Amino acid sequence: GENVEQHPSTLSVQEGDSAVIKCTYSDSASNYFPWYKQELGKRPQLIIDIRSNVGEKKDQRIAVTLNKTAKHFSLHITETQPEDSAVYFCAASHNSGGYQKVTFGTGTKLQVIP
Amino acid sequence: NAGVTQTPKFQVLKTGQSMTLQCAQDMNHEYMSWYRQDPGMGLRLIHYSVGAGITDQGEVPNGYNVSRSTTEDFPLRLLSAAPSQTSVYFCASSYRTEAFFGQGTRLTVV
Repeated sequence: GENVEQHPSTLSVQEGDSAVIKCTYSDSASNYFPWYKQELGKRPQLIIDIRSNVGEKKDQRIAVTLNKTAKHFSLHITETQPEDSAVYFCAASHNSGGYQKVTFGTGTKLQVIP
Repeated sequence: NAGVTQTPKFQVLKTGQSMTLQCAQDMNHEYMSWYRQDPGMGLRLIHYSVGAGITDQGEVPNGYNVSRSTTEDFPLRLLSAAPSQTSVYFCASSYRTEAFFGQGTRLTVV
């Protein structure tokens, strides 16, 4: 089955600096890569996603890059703010019998220091 | 739309007790799933369903049962609770891609 590795497990940055979270996946059939943000005590929520036919996607201060050959993808947050503090999960997804099967990484706890 | 609703939010069980975590969605999504979240281990898939009457096992199914009698509801049953099942449980529903999560159930088994 799919295996998703995520690094680092914890990340502290100064407010205004950039943060980068990296993930690798094992199944070349994976074609959809979402990122979820989970604030303390809350549910995970989708913040950005990328499909396998795209190399990069940006939404304001957040960007994702995908390298299909190397099977890795990354989340970039620029100009970090205290409200970016949360746990971030990457995921890799592929179609399995009509169901988009999702495998999550183990999460990165991001702390933005004011 | 309420989205995905999970109950209860908190639960304490004694070892050996059984209980059902409820999950309901009003988005008419075919796909529903249950995850458990443990520190350092991310979200692990317990069971999932691709439609009413169809369920399948995920990564960590032992000790849990599910059923899907309607599109809206996907309850998770703990048959005989064990301390290893202490965790935060999330139900999710999706249509093709984005998963919508419930608010979670924090379960403690003593």
